[in-house]
Amino acid sequence: AQKITQTQPGMFVQEKEAVTLDCTYDTSDQSYGLFWYKQPSSGEMIFLIYQGSYDEQNATEGRYSLNFQKARKSANLVISASQLGDSAMYFCAMREGPGRRALTFGSGTRLQVQP
Amino acid sequence: DTEVTQTPKHLVMGMTNKKSLKCEQHMGHRAMYWYKQKAKKPPELMFVYSYEKLSINESVPSRFSPECPNSSLLNLHLHALQPEDSALYLCASSQAGLAGGGNEQFFGPGTRLTVL
Repeated sequence: AQKITQTQPGMFVQEKEAVTLDCTYDTSDQSYGLFWYKQPSSGEMIFLIYQGSYDEQNATEGRYSLNFQKARKSANLVISASQLGDSAMYFCAMREGPGRRALTFGSGTRLQVQP
Repeated sequence: DTEVTQTPKHLVMGMTNKKSLKCEQHMGHRAMYWYKQKAKKPPELMFVYSYEKLSINESVPSRFSPECPNSSLLNLHLHALQPEDSALYLCASSQAGLAGGGNEQFFGPGTRLTVL
């Protein structure tokens, strides 16, 4: 079974609008971390935001916020006020358990921001 | 300095060549990683080094040989590669502690490898 599922291969959004990128995960661990990365066409993976499984508040970083619904095992990324530079591939990733460092990535969502 | 650097940016090699990919960070991170990313796919973990010791090898073929000469450097030695090894190779680093916090991984720009 896939540990990280991103069901939207591609998304379009108009500039200045908000967009939500979906991510669901599967783990039996109580302690885990969820991450979102952005990958422009240049290839570099850019860290955006982190949510720990014990964090009670949804994480926010500037225009990025994470809608964390633990019971539903979802960790959706919300980008407010989209900009043309937001066009990129977005990956959701998980690190399971207190003893692991490895990240498992979802298949990604390609976001295109239209003027 | 919050940057991970990788050299070279692009590499073309034949199946009989020996080459090395290099990765460097100066953030004081003690965990470093190699990922392989094929086109239109997510990154796949290859190796993890923790405190300069190999802690995870995800069943990577022996034609890929990692090396961590010190806490700032990570190399990936390549020998007798196959055309299907052509991919983007990403290096990352993070804090090594696991007790709490995100310990997010910071990635380099990658090396685009083409094996002819």
